[in-house]
Amino acid sequence: RKEVEQDPGPFNVPEGATVAFNCTYSNSASQSFFWYRQDCRKEPKLLMSVYSSGNEDGRFTAQLNRASQYISLLIRDSKLSDSATYLCAVNVPGLTGGGNKLTFGTGTQLKVEL
Amino acid sequence: EAQVTQNPRYLITVTGKKLTVTCSQNMNHEYMSWYRQDPGLGLRQIYYSMNVEVTDKGDVPEGYKVSRKEKRNFPLILESPSPNQTSLYFCASSLSPGVNTEAFFGQGTRLTVV
Repeated sequence: RKEVEQDPGPFNVPEGATVAFNCTYSNSASQSFFWYRQDCRKEPKLLMSVYSSGNEDGRFTAQLNRASQYISLLIRDSKLSDSATYLCAVNVPGLTGGGNKLTFGTGTQLKVEL
Repeated sequence: EAQVTQNPRYLITVTGKKLTVTCSQNMNHEYMSWYRQDPGLGLRQIYYSMNVEVTDKGDVPEGYKVSRKEKRNFPLILESPSPNQTSLYFCASSLSPGVNTEAFFGQGTRLTVV
């Protein structure tokens, strides 16, 4: 089983729609969680961290479910400019005393259409 | 401006010809890492470094070397590149790999090995 898994999509949605992505992780000792956005052929950039209590940033809401080991990202009132690939990332404890490792999912592609 | 700088951005080389991709960050970050990104496989960590002179293997280290002689620089070395190392490479840095620390990525290096 992969350490971090996402549905690759693509998710094609009309402008104004609400869309949700899930991401599951396998290591219950994972400590921190993130959503990154990646535009085509560019570097990933942090969209938001995911806190235990859930957090919101404008149209974006992130949630963590430790019991079921998944994180989610909800985008409300989607815009054309939201079209991108969304990567979840999980900080996984390292083995044999090594440092934590940031492990990424393969990404979910979102296409927002007129 | 806080940034991670990779060079070159694009490189076409021949099998077996040693190459180095440079990575430099100006944020005094301790933690640096290299990823490769391939379609359907997402971002996979090649090597990481927790501080000067401290490096360790990631998930796909075969065929690569790194060094961390200074805090700001973390070059990726391909001693004898092969076509299966054709990929998009990203360098990333963060304060530490700990809780809720953002990873900053370079703009990427698109490598083609023929």
